[in-house]
Amino acid sequence: DQQVKQNSPSLSVQEGRISILNCDYTNSMFDYFLWYKKYPAEGPTFLISISSIKDKNEDGRFTVFLNKSAKHLSLHIVPSQPGDSAVYFCAATPANAGGTSYGKLTFGQGTILTVHP
Amino acid sequence: NAGVMQNPRHLVRRRGQEARLRCSPMKGHSHVYWYRQLPEEGLKFMVYLQKENIIDESGMPKERFSAEFPKEGPSILRIQQVVRGDSAAYFCASSRGDRPWEQYFGPGTRLTVT
Repeated sequence: DQQVKQNSPSLSVQEGRISILNCDYTNSMFDYFLWYKKYPAEGPTFLISISSIKDKNEDGRFTVFLNKSAKHLSLHIVPSQPGDSAVYFCAATPANAGGTSYGKLTFGQGTILTVHP
Repeated sequence: NAGVMQNPRHLVRRRGQEARLRCSPMKGHSHVYWYRQLPEEGLKFMVYLQKENIIDESGMPKERFSAEFPKEGPSILRIQQVVRGDSAAYFCASSRGDRPWEQYFGPGTRLTVT
């Protein structure tokens, strides 16, 4: 039962253009959403997150959009740079009984982003 | 300003042996999480621990796997009687107690069972 899905295994983008990575989820209890970037032989690096009470969060070149009604989130990278080439994972976590976000992350399968010079 | 430390980075075990994976959280972090990444898959949650306490072990296989986070020392993920299907990358993450969703990951231990 894949609760977080990244349907595009790979994405290729020209340097300077926008990269858009997509993620869908099925569990309506998810409360907090995150994007991680991962290079080979390294651990995931936290990029940006968004709470379910928001629909947009921006940090430099990275913007995450959340559409709760569609259970969809996306990561926009503008402008894309060759150093952004990596595997990108979206992740989600539910709220616990007390209403605060919990620490059990559910990850998508990842999307390989390649940014060409 | 050390991040999450994991050792060893690579571990080779024969079928039937035991594997011990260690994780030291970031300074100031009291919560530890273990995830497993099988080839061509995303990371899967295994267990969530505080010092001397298991918070959630719903992702741990029922047999052969155990985890601890003692009062002193690193967190340990222990796999007894390893089988080929245990070959994977095992990642540890840590967080502050008040922000459990903001997890910082270690470099991982790649376990190979021959």
